[in-house]
Amino acid sequence: QKEVEQDPGPLSVPEGAIVSLNCTYSNSAFQYFMWYRQYSRKGPELLMYTYSSGNKEDGRFTAQVDKSSKYISLFIRDSQPSDSATYLCAMSAGEKLTFGTGTRLTIIP
Amino acid sequence: GAVVSQHPSRVICKSGTSVKIECRSLDFQATTMFWYRQFPKQSLMLMATSNEGSKATYEQGVEKDKFLINHASLTLSTLTVTSAHPEDSSFYICSARGVGETTFGSGTRLTVV
Repeated sequence: QKEVEQDPGPLSVPEGAIVSLNCTYSNSAFQYFMWYRQYSRKGPELLMYTYSSGNKEDGRFTAQVDKSSKYISLFIRDSQPSDSATYLCAMSAGEKLTFGTGTRLTIIP
Repeated sequence: GAVVSQHPSRVICKSGTSVKIECRSLDFQATTMFWYRQFPKQSLMLMATSNEGSKATYEQGVEKDKFLINHASLTLSTLTVTSAHPEDSSFYICSARGVGETTFGSGTRLTVV
C-alpha cells in the first residue's frame, strides 16, 4: 500500500464548477499537508499549506484536513480554464515530502 | 517570493556521457536542497537530500555513484547523471528549503539517446 493515495484522474469539469480533489494517507505521523499545482513540463507550485487538522481558505481555494480519517481535500470554486493542471497532494512528518501521484484536471470553457 | 532557478530546462545527451543539472536559490539561502525524479503520470520520487557542506543522503535504491550531488554553497546544488543510459531519461526536479517554505525549480527534462 502506498503511503499516499490520489486518484490520477483525468478529471474534466465545465468552467465555473466546483472541483473536489482528494488524497488519503496511511502514515499517522504526517503533520504537514500541502497541495501543489503543476503545469506541463514545469516544477510544482505551492498552492495551500496546512498544519494538522482543519480548514484553510485562500481565494477560490479551500484545503481541508481530517487527520482522524487520514483524508485531505482541495476545493476549487468558480473553476477557470487557467486552473487546468495536475494537482499533487504532499505531506510530511518533518523534512521529507511524500507526494501523491497527482490528479490531472481540465476545466472546459 | 522565494525563487529557485533550475538549468537546463531540457537536455539531450548520448548514452555514456554525463550531464550536470544546476539548482540555484536566487533570493534566499537554502540550507537543504532536494532532488526528485518524475516519470510520466507518476508522482515525484525523492532521490536524495543534500545539506550545504555535507554529503547527500540518498533514498533507498538510488545509486549514489551514478547520481552525484554536490551542495557546495547555500545557493547552489548540482546533480550530475554519470554514464547516462536511456532508462535515465526522466524529468528531474530540485527543491530548496530556507527559513520558510520549500520552493521547487522548474525541472529538467533529460533525454538520453
